[in-house]
Parts: sequence; C-alpha cells; structure tokens
Amino acid sequence: GAVVSQHPSWVICKSGTSVKIECRSLDFQATTMFWYRQFPKQSLMLMATSNEGSKATYEQGVEKDKFLINHASLTLSTLTVTSAHPEDSSFYICSAPPVAGGQTGELFFGEGSRLTVL
Amino acid sequence: GENVEQHPSTLSVQEGDSAVIKCTYSDSASNYFPWYKQELGKRPQLIIDIRSNVGEKKDQRIAVTLNKTAKHFSLHITETQPEDSAVYFCAARSSGTYKYIFGTGTRLKVLA
Repeated sequence: GAVVSQHPSWVICKSGTSVKIECRSLDFQATTMFWYRQFPKQSLMLMATSNEGSKATYEQGVEKDKFLINHASLTLSTLTVTSAHPEDSSFYICSAPPVAGGQTGELFFGEGSRLTVL
Repeated sequence: GENVEQHPSTLSVQEGDSAVIKCTYSDSASNYFPWYKQELGKRPQLIIDIRSNVGEKKDQRIAVTLNKTAKHFSLHITETQPEDSAVYFCAARSSGTYKYIFGTGTRLKVLA
C-alpha cells in the first residue's frame, strides 16, 4: 500500500510557542490530505482538508488562524499549531488518498504526532 | 450534518469467541464503509471495507455486513485472539469525496 510519513512523532513544547508537523506521501502524489485530531480514548475528528495549491478547508469549530495548513506540493502538507496551549495537547494524524489508483477508497494514515504542551 | 454512531464503546470477549461491532450512519449518500484497527499510539490500519453495492464481505476471520436500507453495517470477528485486542473504528464516506466520518470507536479486549 501507499506510504504516508509524518514527522515529528512526538513533540513537547512550552505554552505560547508554535509547532509544525509535516505529512509526506512517499510513493504517490496527494492533491488532498486530511488532518485529524484524536484525544485520548476518543475518535478521530477531522480538523481540515488540505488542498495542494489552494486554501485548506476547515471543519466547523476549528480555528484556521490557530491551525495553519500549507500544502505546497503534491507530496507535502504541514500543520502548524500556533501559540499552543495545554488544551491543544493531542494526537494529530494526517491521511491521504492516492491520486491515481485509489479505487479502493482507502485512506493511508501517517504515524501520528503526539503533541504535549506544557 | 453527517454522523456515524458506533456500539459498543467497549467489548470484552474470551479468546475463541466472536465479537460484533455495529455502526449506523446518517448520510444516505454514503457508499463506502471501511473498518480500521488502531493499536495504542499507532496509526489506524484498514482491516476490511465494503461498498454499497455489496451486502457482505469476508476475509478469513473478519467479515462485514451492510444494510443500506437501515443504514447500518457491522464488523464480525470470529475465533478472536489476544492480538485482536485494539480499538476499532468504523467510517463512512460519501460518493465523490474522500471525506470520512469516523465512528466513536470500540475498545476490544480479548481475554486469554
């Protein structure tokens, strides 16, 4: 299957700082990537849809100025958590469907990034 | 908006028994229903999926059934093993989009 790589896998930062998380499709191109947030023992909640070459689409209740998404190429999307606070601590995970050959409809997930804000 | 409900939230079974997890969806345009298994701290892994033109699909010990009229689908795991212990998520996707709505998850524990 296709491979999605996410970095860093875990990060600890101080309150008020910004953190960038990268999501790369390694062996396929992804015009669209999805960013999810998962709190402990909860489901994956879609935060936003990242679109290559255009603005991201945010889900209701997600602050676009706080969670900056950039999809600069067909293989890379980044999520920047700006002015992070302890309540932003969570597991952030990206996913992407392959552009071509995605008839299965399968989403490929990155490894996830565990953010802890002190 | 679209919604996917999943039950039960936790499930404990004895090794060798069967486990059933059920999901219902609200969007009648949904046409693809994957099931993911997620181990602690790891990424979700697709274990089986079903499309709306099929009523049942089986892959060894895992099967999924779909009732489009009732808008619900179920995951069946037979002959459970301790390594089946994980959190399972159902999801629904509408035609023409890759936007998935996930269920709330089921924590399955297989007791040896």
